[in-house]
Amino acid sequence: EDQVTQSPEALRLQEGESSSLNCSYTVSGLRGLFWYRQDPGKGPEFLFTLYSAGEEKEKERLKATLTKKESFLHITAPKPEDSATYLCAVQTQGGSEKLVFGKGMKLTVNP
Amino acid sequence: DVKVTQSSRYLVKRTGEKVFLECVQDMDHENMFWYRQDPGLGLRLIYFSYDVKMKEKGDIPEGYSVSREKKERFSLILESASTNQTSMYLCASSFSMTSDTNTGELFFGEGSRLTVL
Repeated sequence: EDQVTQSPEALRLQEGESSSLNCSYTVSGLRGLFWYRQDPGKGPEFLFTLYSAGEEKEKERLKATLTKKESFLHITAPKPEDSATYLCAVQTQGGSEKLVFGKGMKLTVNP
Repeated sequence: DVKVTQSSRYLVKRTGEKVFLECVQDMDHENMFWYRQDPGLGLRLIYFSYDVKMKEKGDIPEGYSVSREKKERFSLILESASTNQTSMYLCASSFSMTSDTNTGELFFGEGSRLTVL
């Protein structure tokens, strides 16, 4: 069974304190790994897609990396507006169009 | 910009009522999905549809049905609402994997928060 595990479940940072969020996955074959951001009471907003081990993508203070077993979302010098829940999801090879999501990680950045 | 619109942001229904949640997308996506999101459980797939009148069960289809009569519209139906169906419901859409424009990402609506009393 395909599984996605995110850690930690929640993280509190001070403004400017860099850190990383982890997403480990167990799938029969990876077609793509996705990162989303979700603000309270809203739908998830797409951040990145990674397709192969070694791939990296950046957007402002966020950088996503991928290995054969996990992905990291690195947050450099976070600001309070980066506070949100970050979701990781995988799409597997073999024909299924659905995404399998982790449970999410709630990030709080204090000023 | 892709827009996925869910008809109701907040609903309050009574146990046993029939509930319709509507979702419309404007990007000509082949795929549409219904997820529910609960604290500690994350997003769980209820049903998805890859074409008009086509549907597949997700991980938690019990107590739900769906309808896709037009490409842009995907409805989730709770035939007889129960208190354990109180949740945030999220609709999403995407291009088919066979499409040249497919990147795999899902585009989500703003969500419908349903409370069943």
